[in-house]
Formats: sequence, structure tokens, C-alpha cells
Amino acid sequence: TQLLEQSPQFLSIQEGENLTVYCNSSSVFSSLQWYRQEPGEGPVLLVTVVTGGEVKKLKRLTFQFGDARKDSSLHITAAQPGDTGLYLCAGGTGGYQKVTFGIGTKLQVIP
Amino acid sequence: NAGVTQTPKFRVLKTGQSMTLLCAQDMNHEYMYWYRQDPGMGLRLIHYSVGEGTTAKGEVPDGYNVSRLKKQNFLLGLESAAPSQTSVYFCASTTGGGQGPQYFGPGTRLLVL
Repeated sequence: TQLLEQSPQFLSIQEGENLTVYCNSSSVFSSLQWYRQEPGEGPVLLVTVVTGGEVKKLKRLTFQFGDARKDSSLHITAAQPGDTGLYLCAGGTGGYQKVTFGIGTKLQVIP
Repeated sequence: NAGVTQTPKFRVLKTGQSMTLLCAQDMNHEYMYWYRQDPGMGLRLIHYSVGEGTTAKGEVPDGYNVSRLKKQNFLLGLESAAPSQTSVYFCASTTGGGQGPQYFGPGTRLLVL
């Protein structure tokens, strides 16, 4: 069973602060996806990274895939209350598009 | 274009009762999935389907059955509900063959008493 560990599990910060959340595994993944889930809704894809060392930016969010494709990070610059939510990473190994989800990081940004 | 829809949104069952959760997608996606989400456990795959008429077991299939009679619909059945099946159930779909995103429905909250 491939496991994805996310840290921290909970994070409460003030508006304007920077933060980084991590997604780690002992397994190699062909792709790594990041989702954000708001209360009462399903997860929504933020980004997919597929190449070791790849960095993608989405406005104030920066995603990085580790060189060995076993880990990833999400950095948020100048967090806003609208960034509040559950951030999930999901590793794909190809074949039938099955992915393994981490437990998630619950982020609260306080105005 | 409604994306992925799930019915019902919320349901309360008594132990031993049965029910069917319906997932529908209008994006012509080949692959569909059923997950359950529990605190501290994350999203766990129950069953999935790679096309009309095909289904396969995921990580936690016991106590559930599924059917994919039409490409756009994926049904999840609980034949004899147990309190351990209290959870939030999500359906998702995606296109095959790539690194595409999974599109999730809004979820069904199920409480088994």
C-alpha cells in the first residue's frame, strides 16, 4: 500500500503570513496532484505535477515535485482568508488513473 | 454542464437497511470512482469503473456493491448498512489515459444509527 503523509495536519495562521505544507512518501509516483476542499464540498484540483523537480505557480501558490518524485510541497505567499480549506495531495501511478490521497492539511487563515 | 452530481445529499439509515447512492456525470468520462472520507483517514477508494459495464474493487470494498450500466452513471449500494459505514461519500470521474484531474461531486452524508 502506497502511503502519502501530509504535514502539518492542522495550521492556523494570520492573514498575510507565508506557509508551506508537505506531502511525503516512500514510493515513487508518476504524478502528484494537489486539491483544495471546502466544507460541504468535494475536492477541486489545483495543480498536477509530473516531472521530478517541477515547479508550478498558481497566483500566490507555488507547487514543487521532488526530484525523486516521492514528495511535494505547497507554498502559499501572503495567505488570505479565502485560502482557508483542506489541502489534499494525491499520488498517481498510472493505470486506470487510480490515485492515493493523503489525509490532508486543514488550513485556517485568520483575518 | 452540471459536472458530477450525487443524490441524495444526506441520508439517515438504521442498521440493516439498504440504500443506493447515485452518481451522474455529463462530461463523457470513462473512469468513475466512489470514495469515502472519514476524519483522520482521508479519502479511501471503495470501488471504481474504467468503463460502462466494468467495475473493480478499491481499497475498502467490503459491505458495498456497485454497478455501471450506463457510462454516465455509477451506483453505490449498501445492502445491509452498519454504523461503521457512517461517512461522507464522494463520487469522482476522469478521462482515461493521462494525468487528468478527478472531478468530484458534492458528496453524500450518510448516518447509520
